[in-house]
Amino acid sequence: AQKITQTQPGMFVQEKEAVTLDCTYDTSDPSYGLFWYKQPSSGEMIFLIYQGSYDQQNATEGRYSLNFQKARKSANLVISASQLGDSAMYFCAMREARDAGNMLTFGGGTRLMVKP
Amino acid sequence: DVKVTQSSRYLVKRTGEKVFLECVQDMDHENMFWYRQDPGLGLRLIYFSYDVKMKEKGDIPEGYSVSREKKERFSLILESASTNQTSMYLCASSEGHLDADTQYFGPGTRLTVL
Repeated sequence: AQKITQTQPGMFVQEKEAVTLDCTYDTSDPSYGLFWYKQPSSGEMIFLIYQGSYDQQNATEGRYSLNFQKARKSANLVISASQLGDSAMYFCAMREARDAGNMLTFGGGTRLMVKP
Repeated sequence: DVKVTQSSRYLVKRTGEKVFLECVQDMDHENMFWYRQDPGLGLRLIYFSYDVKMKEKGDIPEGYSVSREKKERFSLILESASTNQTSMYLCASSEGHLDADTQYFGPGTRLTVL
């Protein structure tokens, strides 16, 4: 079974509007972390936001917030006030505590396109 | 700022050649990782290392080997390159001791095997 599922291969959003990128995960490990990365066309992976499984509050970093619903095993990324520079691939990833070396498992990604 | 560099942005090799991809990080990180990225498949872990001279297989190690002789450098080796190894290769490093152990990525190497 897929550990990380991103069901939206591509999404459009109007500039200045908010957008939600979906991510669901599958784990039996009670201790895990969820990450979102942005990959612009230049190719570099840029860390955006982190949520720990025991964190009581949803993580926020500037215009990025993570809508963490533990019971539903979802960790959706919300980008507020979209900008043209937000056009990129977005990857959700999970780290399970039992994995050696803190390895990450990535989803297939969502391509976000911001329309002017 | 963490800096992860990779030796080449673009590389073209012939089938059967031995290929070295080099990755260097400057933040004294314990962990280093090699991924390949293919359309629709996301990033898949090839190998990782959590200490000098230590290596662990990831999800798709076949056809690859790695070397970590120094803490800051992690090399990916394709002993005999094949066309199905044409891909984007991403190196990452992480500190290794934090709960939120974020991985920081290099710019990637786009390898084409003809």
